[in-house]
Amino acid sequence: GAVVSQHPSRVICKSGTSVKIECRSLDFQATTMFWYRQFPKQSLMLMATSNEGSKATYEQGVEKDKFLINHASLTLSTLTVTSAHPEDSSFYICSARHEARFYNEQFFGPGTRLTVL
Amino acid sequence: AQSVTQLDSHVSVSEGTPVLLRCNYSSSYSPSLFWYVQHPNKGLQLLLKYTSAATLVKGINGFEAEFKKSETSFHLTKPSAHMSDAAEYFCVVIPTSGGSYIPTFGRGTSLIVHP
Repeated sequence: GAVVSQHPSRVICKSGTSVKIECRSLDFQATTMFWYRQFPKQSLMLMATSNEGSKATYEQGVEKDKFLINHASLTLSTLTVTSAHPEDSSFYICSARHEARFYNEQFFGPGTRLTVL
Repeated sequence: AQSVTQLDSHVSVSEGTPVLLRCNYSSSYSPSLFWYVQHPNKGLQLLLKYTSAATLVKGINGFEAEFKKSETSFHLTKPSAHMSDAAEYFCVVIPTSGGSYIPTFGRGTSLIVHP
């Protein structure tokens, strides 16, 4: 199957610090990766779409300078929350796809719980 | 443009009784449709998917869904609920053409299973 991992699974940080979350496709090369944010009892909200080697495309209302996305290779994308504040506390989920191999299906990571104190 | 409507925010059933989680969609292009389950503080697990093959799709853990184009529906069912089925369920639509494969999520349905 197609497996996507995220690291760390949970992180607690102080306000003002930056936090990096990694998303890896373990057994396939991901042409596209997606980053989502999920608030308690709510659905997933797409933050950005990233293709390997190019700049991420951010959804409306998502600050690109706040949420830095780097898709450095076909198996790794990172989301860095810069100068984190308590309102950034949330559950962040990534997903990955490979169009030629899996068509439009996406495979989701297990999520990262971010708590900003 | 596309949208997904999960008609119920909560569904409550007794263990051993049937489950019905409703999903209606709209899409400018022929869509692929997915159902995912999410347990607390976990990622999304694929239950089943429709990708223009058989309209009745069987998934894991005894779940199945029927794609009805005339009704623009993709309802999820299970004959007999287990306690372990209690979770959040998401219906997702992804277009199959048009150049964008951005998924659209329903708001989710919380399935509550009583002993």
